[in-house]
Amino acid sequence: DVKVTQSSRYLVKRTGEKVFLECVQDMDHENMFWYRQDPGLGLRLIYFSYDVKMKEKGDIPEGYSVSREKKERFSLILESASTNQTSMYLCASSLFVGTGTGYTFGSGTRLTVV
Amino acid sequence: GDSVTQMEGPVTLSEEAFLTINCTYTATGYPSLFWYVQYPGEGLQLLLKATKADDKGSNKGFEATYRKETTSFHLEKGSVQVSDSAVYFCALNSGGSNYKLTFGKGTLLTVNP
Repeated sequence: DVKVTQSSRYLVKRTGEKVFLECVQDMDHENMFWYRQDPGLGLRLIYFSYDVKMKEKGDIPEGYSVSREKKERFSLILESASTNQTSMYLCASSLFVGTGTGYTFGSGTRLTVV
Repeated sequence: GDSVTQMEGPVTLSEEAFLTINCTYTATGYPSLFWYVQYPGEGLQLLLKATKADDKGSNKGFEATYRKETTSFHLEKGSVQVSDSAVYFCALNSGGSNYKLTFGKGTLLTVNP
């Protein structure tokens, strides 16, 4: 069964810490995405990557960065965690083959910044 | 730009009731349309999709028809079960160089026994 795996289901971090959220997919997908999900706001795209070492900003990139050194791995980095970054973070991947391609999502990481 | 509007929730139904969750969209070109479902504590799963006008996507008793004339993709199920309780997201992909999905805000469905 193909999968997108997020390294942690729950994380608690302190304000000011540097936080790494890891995502690995085993489907040889070109595209990978990071979203955050908040009540009443739905899903908001933070960053995405369409190839190794390539990245593009999404709708809310401020306070975040990403790294994609290998095709299967896409990391989200919170440079200095703040309480307003408490959220559910969802990683997804997709093929690079046209508009009919949906996403495969990971199970999510619920991050709490205290 | 692209946008998706879903009916606001929460929606509460009794088991075996008929379900409709409305979804309309704005997009350039000819988008593909999707419904995703998120069960409690989990990530999103693709429920069904349609890639061109008049296509009907279906899965697990759910259906949605791509209506270009009304720019809609309403989700329906004839008889819901308690296990259908989840958040449902409508989404579109209008192509381009990066294949981003644009999501609606989600509709929480609760089905009571």
